[in-house]
Amino acid sequence: GQQLNQSPQSMFIQEGEDVSMNCTSSSIFNTWLWYKQEPGEGPVLLIALYKAGELTSNGRLTAQFGITRKDSFLNISASIPSDVGIYFCAGPGRDDKIIFGKGTRLHILP
Amino acid sequence: NAGVTQTPKFRVLKTGQSMTLLCAQDMNHEYMYWYRQDPGMGLRLIHYSVGEGTTAKGEVPDGYNVSRLKKQNFLLGLESAAPSQTSVYFCASSFTLDTQYFGPGTRLTVL
Repeated sequence: GQQLNQSPQSMFIQEGEDVSMNCTSSSIFNTWLWYKQEPGEGPVLLIALYKAGELTSNGRLTAQFGITRKDSFLNISASIPSDVGIYFCAGPGRDDKIIFGKGTRLHILP
Repeated sequence: NAGVTQTPKFRVLKTGQSMTLLCAQDMNHEYMYWYRQDPGMGLRLIHYSVGEGTTAKGEVPDGYNVSRLKKQNFLLGLESAAPSQTSVYFCASSFTLDTQYFGPGTRLTVL
């Protein structure tokens, strides 16, 4: 079935560093969604991408829709403590379902 | 505009007990979903609905039932709870097959 593979699974970085994570699939997606889940909360949409090659920013976050339509990237610049959480990529699959990756857990060291 | 709300927030059950989790949305969304989240497993789809009166199975439907009698509500039932159903349950809704809005979650423990 359709799957989204996220890497890395977890990251430990220093405050102020830039962060890069990605999401890949063996099948084509027409939409890529990036969510963030903070501890004890439900996921919240950060960025939605609808066109191959699209580059979209939301504050310090930038996401790109890969040209092959089989991958997407999320970058966070100058990380701060509130960036801690789990970042999920997602996309519409078959049968009216949204497919989620297993997430990248971001830890920030003081 | 409350968005997506879930009731209850926490619950402890004994094996074999039953319960119903309620999800409500006030955004007039057609699509509603129930997920469970376990450590290291991401979000797994239990059941979903593409409109009032419709339901469909997701990735892990066994042991759960759902109903969508009203457009704004999506109920998740556990008829006979098992320890394997200890998890955090999230409800989500969306207007189309696109951006989903999530509730705050229900933390369920089955002893």
